[in-house]
Amino acid sequence: ELKVEQNPLFLSMQEGKNYTIYCNYSTTSDRLYWYRQDPGKSLESLFVLLSNGAVKQEGRLMASLDTKARLSTLHITAAVHDLSATYFCAGPSFYNNNDMRFGAGTRLTVKP
Amino acid sequence: DADVTQTPRNRITKTGKRIMLECSQTKGHDRMYWYRQDPGLGLRLIYYSFDVKDINKGEISDGYSVSRQAQAKFSLSLESAIPNQTALYFCATSDFKNIQYFGAGTRLSVL
Repeated sequence: ELKVEQNPLFLSMQEGKNYTIYCNYSTTSDRLYWYRQDPGKSLESLFVLLSNGAVKQEGRLMASLDTKARLSTLHITAAVHDLSATYFCAGPSFYNNNDMRFGAGTRLTVKP
Repeated sequence: DADVTQTPRNRITKTGKRIMLECSQTKGHDRMYWYRQDPGLGLRLIYYSFDVKDINKGEISDGYSVSRQAQAKFSLSLESAIPNQTALYFCATSDFKNIQYFGAGTRLSVL
């Protein structure tokens, strides 16, 4: 079964700094999803990465996928306070594309 | 109005009670899901459905049941609630890329 591991689980960073969140998954998967959850809110889709080498960027966030390494990264450039949230990666189970497995989430706090 | 609507938003119940959480969607998606979220564990899939005749168990279906009353409605039932079912429950739909669209969540406490 697909296991999804994120690290770090907690990240406190200063505004203006760069950092990367890592998402490792245990079995072959050709797609990976990133979601954002603000405190007390629901999850919203950020990126869907559909093939090896896929890179998507939105504002200060950039996500990439390396299916051979079973690794996706979410890179934060010049962080701002508004990026404070919990970020989840998720991937479909190897046997069933509809059985989505989520990582535990990375709680990001951006301090002035 | 929200595309995926969950009711109630909060619910407190007692051990042994039967409760139902409801979800409706206006996105026109065939696929609907129920997840629970626990601190430090991310989201875990309870059940999912492709249409009213297709119901599938997810990772943690024990103690739960579902009903797909129509394309737009998918309800989750706890037949006899227990304290370890205290969690935040999300309903979701998905598109052809399997991007999940979540409701606002139902916070359930079982005393």
